[in-house]
Amino acid sequence: SSELTQDPAVSVALGQTVRITCQGDSLRSYYASWYQQKPGQAPVLVIYGKNNRPSGIPDRFSGSSSGNTASLTITGAQAEDEADYYCNSRDSSGNHPWVFGGGTKLTVL
Amino acid sequence: EVQLVETGGGLIQPGGSLRLSCAASGFTVSSNYMSWVRQAPGKGLEWVSVIYSGGSTYYADSVKGRFTISRDNSKNTLYLQMNSLRAEDTAVYYCARVIVTGTHNWFDPWGQGTLVTVSS
Repeated sequence: SSELTQDPAVSVALGQTVRITCQGDSLRSYYASWYQQKPGQAPVLVIYGKNNRPSGIPDRFSGSSSGNTASLTITGAQAEDEADYYCNSRDSSGNHPWVFGGGTKLTVL
Repeated sequence: EVQLVETGGGLIQPGGSLRLSCAASGFTVSSNYMSWVRQAPGKGLEWVSVIYSGGSTYYADSVKGRFTISRDNSKNTLYLQMNSLRAEDTAVYYCARVIVTGTHNWFDPWGQGTLVTVSS
């Protein structure tokens, strides 16, 4: 089955830029969407499509894609950005409609 | 305001059944793709099931044959009927609307989640 692979943990110094990546064959055909989840809360959509932010998401969040890799970039990370981040895409293998990455724990130092 | 509210979670013994509900407001469930996603304690998100606007349904292998997704158009509500529950089904269950536009797909909004605990 199709999989999306993320680094389990990433850290960034306050105010610096961090990139969280997501790899998978399905990303050659479909754009990834990205979700932020803070402890005890539901996931929140932060990036979708080529590079679109829902209303209310700060413009320090951006998305990009190349080949089988999608990236979420936070430019000028803030303390409130510390959270788990998940990527998601259609499953191009045809086994299931959708698949989530394993998640990346972002720590802001 | 577009919103989803899940109910129906709780403690259930292995082998038991439970039905989760997800009430929508601000949009029409039957006109959208609607999905269930779960998260086991301390784990990541796992896609569980989807019902398309046309009525087609799909399931993760881990729940196929045991879970059934459905909707009640008159109540604008999504359901997940869970039978033959196992300890590994213990998770917070979220419902979410799925937006699909060609190569762009995303889940938004999400409900607040409802906890299902399968234990004797």
